[in-house]
Amino acid sequence: KAGVTQTPRYLIKTRGQQVTLSCSPISGHRSVSWYQQTPGQGLQFLFEYFSETQRNKGNFPGRFSGRQFSNSRSEMNVSTLELGDSALYLCASSLRPGPNEKLFFGSGTQLSVL
Amino acid sequence: GQQVMQIPQYQHVQEGEDFTTYCNSSTTLSNIQWYKQRPGGHPVFLIQLVKSGEVKKQKRLTFQFGEAKKNSSLHITATQTTDVGTYFCADRDGQAGTALIFGKGTTLSVSS
Repeated sequence: KAGVTQTPRYLIKTRGQQVTLSCSPISGHRSVSWYQQTPGQGLQFLFEYFSETQRNKGNFPGRFSGRQFSNSRSEMNVSTLELGDSALYLCASSLRPGPNEKLFFGSGTQLSVL
Repeated sequence: GQQVMQIPQYQHVQEGEDFTTYCNSSTTLSNIQWYKQRPGGHPVFLIQLVKSGEVKKQKRLTFQFGEAKKNSSLHITATQTTDVGTYFCADRDGQAGTALIFGKGTTLSVSS
């Protein structure tokens, strides 16, 4: 079974631009969550989607948004990029939302904002 | 807000030595999940602890959940170079449902 697939793997943008990252969960997994990883802040929760609905959102500005499609694939968008948005963006999938679900992470998208 | 503290931040050991990382919280943890991230890789689920005082073993790895559910530990016996990476503990966010709150991680390096 294929793992979580994230595209693109690397991305370089300049301040003020916007970016869209894509995530395809493991087949059969319907819950997708996104995390931002930086050396200073570690892994921080962005949002979680299930059945095309955002269930939870982390403490990030409105420039960060996402959505989930009927096939459970998800995208996240960052508008008006800032230097501080440079990070590894990780997508994780699970069968369903729930306190006992383990997350399967993708390889991430490394975003560099210049 | 809810925080999960992990110590130490870094640990270097000689191959064959033991290693322990600790995860602490000022509030009661709902359940604890442990993940490992190899250099340049992504987090990979290791285990989940749910019950107070729970102890689980995976070969050379021993995971413990404190009696008061405010701390957890991961102990590796006789480290190998394959153990290199960053170990994260994570708890469910009580306010944000199923979101995971990660500790900052402990980065383990092993020299042979």
